[in-house]
Formats: sequence, structure tokens, C-alpha cells
Amino acid sequence: SQQGEEDPQALSIQEGENATMNCSYKTSINNLQWYRQNSGRGLVHLILIRSNEREKHSGRLRVTLDTSKKSSSLLITASRAADTASYFCATDAWGLTGGGNKLTFGTGTQLKVEL
Amino acid sequence: EPEVTQTPSHQVTQMGQEVILRCVPISNHLYFYWYRQILGQKVEFLVSFYNNEISEKSEIFDDQFSVERPDGSNFTLKIRSTKLEDSAMYFCASSEAGAGTTQYFGPGTRLTVL
Repeated sequence: SQQGEEDPQALSIQEGENATMNCSYKTSINNLQWYRQNSGRGLVHLILIRSNEREKHSGRLRVTLDTSKKSSSLLITASRAADTASYFCATDAWGLTGGGNKLTFGTGTQLKVEL
Repeated sequence: EPEVTQTPSHQVTQMGQEVILRCVPISNHLYFYWYRQILGQKVEFLVSFYNNEISEKSEIFDDQFSVERPDGSNFTLKIRSTKLEDSAMYFCASSEAGAGTTQYFGPGTRLTVL
């Protein structure tokens, strides 16, 4: 299995509902970042959480990190149709043995928010 | 808000031809990266660049690939002899520092090798 696996692979919800996406990783990390990608477009940075942080908020986004379980979750509250996109977690191992600042991406969750 | 830009947005080339993908990172950033995403697959790291030299590269980044910062603003990725399997979206990214800081991505260049 690979570093950075998101689940579910696909999620379909109604506008106004909350969407939760999970990410698991294998090796120790320094930071975990979440990105959004609209179909065929670039990656938009959403939030960065450091390994010594447990929770972070940004607007309608809430990210948690559990380093003991090597997992993170992204919660989008009160979803909108415009939130329809793929969401990726990405980890780096900066400062750790053998680690650099390259990002290792997960497989992504495709979120569809329907009106 | 400053952003990473990439040109061209779409490049079509014949197998065996050389291509150069261009990026303008955010102006005060010191670290630069190339990633690629084959259609339907994960985003994969290719190379990172700092202080005018490669700091890290992946197995994908073989002798066919090279990077350059020809002036104070551009950052380029060259593929010397393209293969069909090089067809992908190529993303440039930059970060202010290397210490696990946010990497900001450009919109990508879609490379199609025929």
C-alpha cells in the first residue's frame, strides 16, 4: 500500500451537508497538506497542518491529524456545489531521516455536491 | 495574490521531440518543484531545485529530464526526447522555504505526446 491513501474514493452529497474525507499514510511526516483540484485544472492549496498540531480550521474547513494512527481528515461543512472537486492529501518528511521537502500525494477523493 | 504561472497550457509534440515547459514561480520563493500527473493517477514528484541546483529527484527524473533557472524569474523543465508515456499534466510549484512550508502550484501544462 502506498503513502497517502484517501477514502472514500468518491463521495456524493447534497448541498448543505457536511463532507468528510480521510487520508492515511505510512511513514513519519513533518507536515500534511490538503489540496483541491477541479477537473483538469491545477492544485489549490487548502490547509497545512504540522505534525505537532491536532486540529486546524480555515473557514468551512476543519482538518484533524492523528499521528499515532497516521491519519488525517478533512471536513467541509455546509457544502456548496462549487466544492465539487477532487481533494488530495500530501505529506512531506522534511527534517526526518531521509526526508526532503517533496510532497507525496494520496490517491484523492472525488467529491460531488449536488443541488 | 501572487501565483505561479505556467506556459504553455497545452503542448502537443511528436514522440522523440524535445519540449521545454516554462514556469514563473512566486517572486520571493526560493524552492522550486516539478510534479506530474498522468491522467487518472496520483500527482508524482519529479524534482526539487534550490540555490541553482537540484536538491532532490525521483526515479522518474532520468537523463531525459533536466531543469534550469535561466534567469531570475523563469524555471524550466526540458524533456529531451519525449516518449508516449510522458503524456501527462506537468505542474510547477514553489515555496518560500524548504522546511515543510506550503507549496503553491501553477495551473499546469498538459503535454500530449503523439
